[in-house]
Amino acid sequence: AQSVTQLDSQVPVFEEAPVELRCNYSSSVSVYLFWYVQYPNQGLQLLLKYLSGSTLVKGINGFEAEFNKSQTSFHLRKPSVHISDTAEYFCAVRISGGYQKVTFGTGTKLQVIP
Amino acid sequence: NAGVTQTPKFRVLKTGQSMTLLCAQDMNHEYMYWYRQDPGMGLRLIHYSVGEGTTAKGEVPDGYNVSRLKKQNFLLGLESAAPSQTSVYFCASSYSGTKVNEQFFGPGTRLTVL
Repeated sequence: AQSVTQLDSQVPVFEEAPVELRCNYSSSVSVYLFWYVQYPNQGLQLLLKYLSGSTLVKGINGFEAEFNKSQTSFHLRKPSVHISDTAEYFCAVRISGGYQKVTFGTGTKLQVIP
Repeated sequence: NAGVTQTPKFRVLKTGQSMTLLCAQDMNHEYMYWYRQDPGMGLRLIHYSVGEGTTAKGEVPDGYNVSRLKKQNFLLGLESAAPSQTSVYFCASSYSGTKVNEQFFGPGTRLTVL
């Protein structure tokens, strides 16, 4: 079975500074990887996804993530954060093929400080 | 399109009471899911459905039942609520098939069991 670890439960960062949110996964087979964002009192929405091909994936709102198979990581980055990026971010993994069971990480709260 | 909607948005129950949460989607998705979100635990899958008339257990199904009588609706029932079921409940839906698609989430239902 697959699993996801988000090492940081909270990440404070100053506005306009860069940020990296870490995600590591465990799986014995090929996986698809996702990052979702949850704004306060809302549901989750997709930021970006890695299915295959280029290991650098660009998403909405200036976010990008890099798939590193040797390190089993899928870290999320943004070069310059904005106040509006304050939210909780979830990494998720799904094994390729078959039913779409998705395993979510425990989430990282990004707090952007003005 | 309304996307995924959930009813009600908030609810307070006493221990032992029952209730039904309604999820509706207007995107003609085959797959539907119910998750619960608890602090520090991310999202955990309760039950899911791969089509009208079919349901299956997820990670944490105990104390819940579901039904999918119509393709667009997925109901989550609590027969005898317990304080441990205090949580935020999210419904999601997605397309089926071999294409890897994102899950679309509803806004959530905040349930408190006293």
